[in-house]
Amino acid sequence: GENVEQHPSTLSVQEGDSAVIKCTYSDSASNYFPWYKQELGKGPQLIIDIRSNVGEKKDQRIAVTLNKTAKHFSLHITETQPEDSAVYFCAASTGGFKTIFGAGTRLFVKA
Amino acid sequence: GAVVSQHPSRVICKSGTSVKIECRSLDFQATTMFWYRQFPKQSLMLMATSNEGSKATYEQGVEKDKFLINHASLTLSTLTVTSAHPEDSSFYICSARDEGGLAGRYNEQFFGPGTRLTVL
Repeated sequence: GENVEQHPSTLSVQEGDSAVIKCTYSDSASNYFPWYKQELGKGPQLIIDIRSNVGEKKDQRIAVTLNKTAKHFSLHITETQPEDSAVYFCAASTGGFKTIFGAGTRLFVKA
Repeated sequence: GAVVSQHPSRVICKSGTSVKIECRSLDFQATTMFWYRQFPKQSLMLMATSNEGSKATYEQGVEKDKFLINHASLTLSTLTVTSAHPEDSSFYICSARDEGGLAGRYNEQFFGPGTRLTVL
C-alpha cells in the first residue's frame, strides 16, 4: 500500500531562518499532496497543497515543491516566526480519496 | 467556508460506557467523511471511511462492533465508542471531503477540531 515518509521528525530553527520538511511517497498514482499544520490539542489545518500537474506552489512565506519522478515533495517556510511552531504533516492521496499521512515534523521556532 | 465541527471537544467517561462523537460539515455536503485516531506525538491513523447512506469501510485492525459509525445525512457522521476501556482513550479527529468543489477545492479534506476521549 501507499507509504509516506517524512523527515526530519524534529526541526529547530532560529526566528527568521527558513525551515524545510521533506516527504517521499511510494504510490506513483498519487496526485494530490496536502500539508497540514497541527497545533497542540487541535485538529490539522490545511496550509498548502499541490497537485501532480504542478511542480511548485507558493503562498506568502510558504512554498511546496513536487518532484514526481523522484516521488519527493517538500515544504519550505521562509522568515519563520514563533507562531509557526507546530507539528506539520505531509500527506498523499490518489484521486483525493484515502489520504496517507507522514509521521509528522515537530517544528520549534526560537525567538 | 469548508468548516467541520466536532462535538464534544472533550469527554470523560467510565469504563464500560458508550460515547458518541458527532462530526458535521457546516457549509458543504460530504458523502464521505473519515475518522482518525491520534495518539500523543504520533501521526493520524485512519480508522474508517464513513459513507452516507451505506456501511462504513473500516481499516484493518479496527473493530467495527467497537467503533460504530453512522452517516445518516450529507452533513453528519457519528462515531460511537461502545463499552469504552482505558485503552480507547485518545484524540479522535474527523474530516470531510469537499466533493462539491467549493471554489475549486475539489476533493480537499477539511478536519474537525478533534475530540479528546478519556476513559477512567
